[in-house]
Amino acid sequence: EVQLVESGGGLVQPGGSLRLSCAASGFTFNNHWMSWVRQAPGKGPEWVANIMEDGSKKNYVDSVKGRFTISRDNARKSLYLQMNSLRVEDTAMYYCARDMRGGPNDCWGQGTLVIVSS
Amino acid sequence: DIQMTQSPSSLSASVGDRVTITCRASQTISRFLNWYQQKPGRAPRLLIYSASTLQSGVPSRFSGSASGTDYTLTISSLQREDFATYYCQQSYSTPHTFGQGTRLEIK
Repeated sequence: EVQLVESGGGLVQPGGSLRLSCAASGFTFNNHWMSWVRQAPGKGPEWVANIMEDGSKKNYVDSVKGRFTISRDNARKSLYLQMNSLRVEDTAMYYCARDMRGGPNDCWGQGTLVIVSS
Repeated sequence: DIQMTQSPSSLSASVGDRVTITCRASQTISRFLNWYQQKPGRAPRLLIYSASTLQSGVPSRFSGSASGTDYTLTISSLQREDFATYYCQQSYSTPHTFGQGTRLEIK
């Protein structure tokens, strides 16, 4: 069974940092692009970033460029999101998702909640 | 960035109804259009990708179509479990933007 399990969320002050992790199982992790998608309370999903199978190519939404870094460890079957200089508007549920060919996200984790507040 | 304009934002319907939700892309996306269903407290679930390909395990009452930059999700006969929020997403170019969502409610 394909499974994605996120961790690392929590309450952080504006300007602070968090590192999210996603543990993958049940599929060949290094055969897939992987993504982070977030959803602010009461809002629709927002695609944040994705990373190529070998980690050599990464894409970001403009609002997080220079602050967030996506990475992966294929040996550990894990995906990461390093979030620096956090802002109140980064408050959201953060989901790890597997990419299919052509970009749709066919498997999602349960999410980890990030709250940025003073 | 490609903008996805989804309509309607909300919709009331009855069990057995046929419903249609539309998404318009701000530029060509060559059928790189995906539809998701989301229920409260749950992650989105992929229903349709590449505009019209049904994801494995999704009931055949769901279908998708495309005409130019307009994309449509149709539910042929609503079931109680279909009442949820639906989102379109383009995966033609990054960022893979989502529509604003359509909340489908029971009439």
